[in-house]
Amino acid sequence: NAGVMQNPRHLVRRRGQEARLRCSPMKGHSHVYWYRQLPEEGLKFMVYLQKENIIDESGMPKERFSAEFPKEGPSILRIQQVVRGDSAAYFCASSPRTSGGQSLIQETQYFGPGTRLLVL
Amino acid sequence: SQKIEQNSEALNIQEGKTATLTCNYTNYSPAYLQWYRQDPGRGPVFLLLIRENEKEKRKERLKVTFDTTLKQSLFHITASQPADSATYLCALGTGGFKTIFGAGTRLFVKA
Repeated sequence: NAGVMQNPRHLVRRRGQEARLRCSPMKGHSHVYWYRQLPEEGLKFMVYLQKENIIDESGMPKERFSAEFPKEGPSILRIQQVVRGDSAAYFCASSPRTSGGQSLIQETQYFGPGTRLLVL
Repeated sequence: SQKIEQNSEALNIQEGKTATLTCNYTNYSPAYLQWYRQDPGRGPVFLLLIRENEKEKRKERLKVTFDTTLKQSLFHITASQPADSATYLCALGTGGFKTIFGAGTRLFVKA
C-alpha cells in the first residue's frame, strides 16, 4: 500500500522563480489537503481540494499561490515569484472522506513526507 | 482569539516513566481532537482521535483524555521508550473542512 507521495522532497529556488509541488494521495483517497510548516511552528492549513474542485482555500495567500487537483494526476501546489518568506516545509495529506460524509473516521488525514522549499 | 497551546518546552523523561503532554484550546468548540506524532524530516502520523462526547480513549500504551469544560486534552504514553522520542501534535476538528494544529511538544525519552 503506497502512502501519500510528495515530490520533490527538496526544492531550491531563487527569488522570483516558480515552485511546483506535487502530491499523489493514497489509493482510493479523493480528498487532498495542503499545509505549510515553519520551524518550531504548527502546521498551517492552506487549501482543501477534491478532484477538480477547490473546496476551501481560506488558508492560502491570495497572491502567487494556487492549487489544483485534476481528474487525472497528482495535486499541484504552485507558488509563483517565490520570496524568501516562502521557505518552509509543505505537507500534503489525503483522506478517504466522501462528499457529504460526516464519519469521524474519515477525518483522519494521512500525510506525505513533505517538500522542503528553500528560496535563496 | 482562537488558540491551541501545547507545552512549548521539550519534555524530558526517563525510560519506563509515563509521559504526559497537554493541549489547551480557547474559543473553539471542536467536534473531535486528534493526536499525531511527527519525527524530524517526516510528515505527521495519526495516533488517536477522541470525540467531544468521549472522556477517554486508549490504544496500547497511549491514552488520551478530553475535557470540553476545561478545554483541554491530555496525552499519556505509559512505559515510555526511547523510540517514543518525537514531536507530538494535537489537532482540533471543528466539523468543517479544516483541522487546526498546535505547534507540538517535543518529547525526549532517555534510556
